[in-house]
Amino acid sequence: GAGVSQSPSNKVTEKGKDVELRCDPISGHTALYWYRQSLGQGLEFLIYFQGNSAPDKSGLPSDRFSAERTGGSVSTLTIQRTQQEDSAVYLCASSTHQETQYFGPGTRLLVL
Amino acid sequence: KNEVEQSPQNLTAQEGEFITINCSYSVGISALHWLQQHPGGGIVSLFMLSSGKKKHGRLIATINIQEKHSSLHITASHPRDSAVYICAVRGHTGKLIFGQGTTLQVKP
Repeated sequence: GAGVSQSPSNKVTEKGKDVELRCDPISGHTALYWYRQSLGQGLEFLIYFQGNSAPDKSGLPSDRFSAERTGGSVSTLTIQRTQQEDSAVYLCASSTHQETQYFGPGTRLLVL
Repeated sequence: KNEVEQSPQNLTAQEGEFITINCSYSVGISALHWLQQHPGGGIVSLFMLSSGKKKHGRLIATINIQEKHSSLHITASHPRDSAVYICAVRGHTGKLIFGQGTTLQVKP
């Protein structure tokens, strides 16, 4: 497709379960970002991948959060042992280096 | 104090009015973005700028690097402009730091 896609669009899980969120960036974009937006809150940076460089993980809120980007394309954000405060919309964006970021539609995560 | 501050937080305007949303930041940046988020919708990048002014249709964005300030203007506002407008600055590492957003409602 032409844009950034994310799956699933919605995810409901029970507290303590692990979840995986997927992001397919725009083809050719070397940079990939994960953000989250909690209900009524602003956007928050989580992690940033740029080419083959080591990712910038400085925004990950705890060691329950991890992300990988395979083959410089698709990325997976994993949240282990989910907590209710993890409920949020998780957004992925991609760009060519240091250029405009294009956002995906987000994954709405609800932890019960 | 947040690194990126927007004002106002909420704004209600009548159709046709000229609208200004302000953004001030306190960190060194390589670029500043203005984003639009419609209710229940995704995020669209409106502008990315590092100096001067950019115009797209009825939207104008300006930035003053010395004063660490940017403004987003909407001329001849329309109800379809109702959305949350978000200012974000890109640090030298590439990641974005976001303002809290300005919720705009344009009434017919």
